[in-house]
Amino acid sequence: AQKITQTQPGMFVQEKEAVTLDCTYDTSDPSYGLFWYKQPSSGEMIFLIYQGSYDQQNATEGRYSLNFQKARKSANLVISASQLGDSAMYFCAMSSTGANNLFFGTGTRLTVIP
Amino acid sequence: EAGVAQSPRYKIIEKRQSVAFWCNPISGHATLYWYQQILGQGPKLLIQFQNNGVVDDSQLPKDRFSAERLKGVDSTLKIQPAKLEDSAVYLCASSLTPDFPGTNTGELFFGEGSRLTVL
Repeated sequence: AQKITQTQPGMFVQEKEAVTLDCTYDTSDPSYGLFWYKQPSSGEMIFLIYQGSYDQQNATEGRYSLNFQKARKSANLVISASQLGDSAMYFCAMSSTGANNLFFGTGTRLTVIP
Repeated sequence: EAGVAQSPRYKIIEKRQSVAFWCNPISGHATLYWYQQILGQGPKLLIQFQNNGVVDDSQLPKDRFSAERLKGVDSTLKIQPAKLEDSAVYLCASSLTPDFPGTNTGELFFGEGSRLTVL
């Protein structure tokens, strides 16, 4: 069974600072993917970044990077140079090959302070 | 390119009443998903369609929930009769193919959701 744990219900960060959102996972599947989504108040889930379990390098997408530590089963999201528009809920999710849908964590609410 | 469209955005009903939500996926997307997001939780998959066939409905409470995708395009999710615990946001998502979500063709695109309040 898959499990995603996000232990930070809420986080605050000063504008222009970096912030790390934590995510740990558990799965018995040897091949899987880890995802981060942003959910603003409008409600839609916006894809941010993806890391495959066999990828050797950490994924990066603009100001987003994923700190993947396979042995620790963690996939933390790092947002650099925070902007006011980054204030939203952030969800960590995973999928394993053969189960082609997403399994989500409980989310972290990020608030960027001017 | 138009995104995933959902309606209504908001619905308030009393328990034991029925409600239906509609989803129009991105044009050409063969795979459609319905997720339920209860306040304070992450989305949970209810049902997945490939064209007009059901791929996975293992988490769908079939005694009260039903979903269809008759022509392989639009989909309707119905709840009858509604319970208080059905209060949630119902998110529809679509992908080009049922491939692994980490691939270009398997990436999920979400609508803005339909928020249901059951009194």
